[in-house]
Amino acid sequence: QSALTQPRSVSGSPRQSVTISCTGTSSDVGGYNYVSWYQQHPGKAPKLMIFDVSKRPSGVPDRFSGSKSGNTASLTISGLQAEDEADYYCCSYAGSYTYVFGTGTKVTVL
Amino acid sequence: QVQLVQSGAEVKKPGASVRVSCKASGYTFISYGITWVRQAPGQGLEWMGWISANNGNTDYAKKLQDRVTMTTDTSTSTAYMELRSLRFDDTAMYYCARDLGRAGRDAQYWGQGTLVTVSS
Repeated sequence: QSALTQPRSVSGSPRQSVTISCTGTSSDVGGYNYVSWYQQHPGKAPKLMIFDVSKRPSGVPDRFSGSKSGNTASLTISGLQAEDEADYYCCSYAGSYTYVFGTGTKVTVL
Repeated sequence: QVQLVQSGAEVKKPGASVRVSCKASGYTFISYGITWVRQAPGQGLEWMGWISANNGNTDYAKKLQDRVTMTTDTSTSTAYMELRSLRFDDTAMYYCARDLGRAGRDAQYWGQGTLVTVSS
């Protein structure tokens, strides 16, 4: 199972919006509505930000939103804030009760 | 509050085995599953597998299924991950995480991580 493809880095100024893509295949991202996104600050455990493509766990700001089209899922951060600077990973169900993570994207707040 | 506390760092030789524990508190243990994820130094996240704390059913990543075993002890609310025949590229931070329960297997609450170093 190959890792899902994410851009290595994205950046934006405070209050701007950034979008991170996550490209897979019809066997994972495109085949199921089970895409999640995780935020990871350096030296910390990941944090669940989005599940089931677009649902937010309680406590996650509504600045974070998710979507999917075909084999590509996306995470959008609106109104970028300094504390959003982190690594972000997508994750998709890949069939046979297995999951696959994306390659990870570093978000920089300029 | 939900807490997952993992065992301490380990240093192992190639070919050896390691067992990492993950003690849960703050929720009903058998109502949720536990996912294990690892992260090699400077690298991305890798899904290793999942275990139901209710009945012990497991699902493993294909590349690890011959070397990994996940178990739970409901009497102590502890999950375990054993990895055998360790290789240098098994050096990583290993995380356990509780899932969303009926809402899905996504990893909502995470342990602090356990660093496993494989070195001769």
